[in-house]
Amino acid sequence: KAGVTQTPRYLIKTRGQQVTLSCSPISGHRSVSWYQQTPGQGLQFLFEYFSETQRNKGNFPGRFSGRQFSNSRSEMNVSTLELGDSALYLCASSLDGGREDGYTFGSGTRLTVV
Amino acid sequence: AQSVTQLGSHVSVSEGALVLLRCNYSSSVPPYLFWYVQYPNQGLQLLLKYTSAATLVKGINGFEAEFKKSETSFHLTKPSAHMSDAAEYFCAVKREDRLAFGKGNQVVVIP
Repeated sequence: KAGVTQTPRYLIKTRGQQVTLSCSPISGHRSVSWYQQTPGQGLQFLFEYFSETQRNKGNFPGRFSGRQFSNSRSEMNVSTLELGDSALYLCASSLDGGREDGYTFGSGTRLTVV
Repeated sequence: AQSVTQLGSHVSVSEGALVLLRCNYSSSVPPYLFWYVQYPNQGLQLLLKYTSAATLVKGINGFEAEFKKSETSFHLTKPSAHMSDAAEYFCAVKREDRLAFGKGNQVVVIP
């Protein structure tokens, strides 16, 4: 079956701009989580969506937001970009929040803010 | 709060030698534990997971991990390292419907 698809793979934006990243989960998976990976902070949880509802949120400013559509595809948006937002953004999908099947990750979107 | 500790950011191992990556968790309840591998410019690939079914868990690519409650550990091993095992490895614990990751181990395989 098809894996988790994240688009685009690479993105370069300027400070102050906004950006939208997309994640298509494995067919049948209703949970989508987002993580930010940086060399300094490692892997940090952003938020999780389940059946179009945000179920959990990490400790990130309100500039980071997301949503999930009825087909389980998810988008995350970062407004007013800062240099520190440069990171690899990873999306993970699961059937039920990882309780039994774990999480399957996409290849990520590499965001560079200049 | 549940968390994991991985010691030694860089681990060098000779080809054919044992790979041992240590992970200790802090948890007040039986945890769900995971090991992931990340190759350059890639996402995370699940190696194996512990969900209380068996203490010795076998994963992909010849890796296995043993859950030891008394030591609060979930160390990852592979009997014989291959060049293709060069990657970064992350231990993670499921906490409140999210994963909390360790800092990772960058594994270098020496020919």
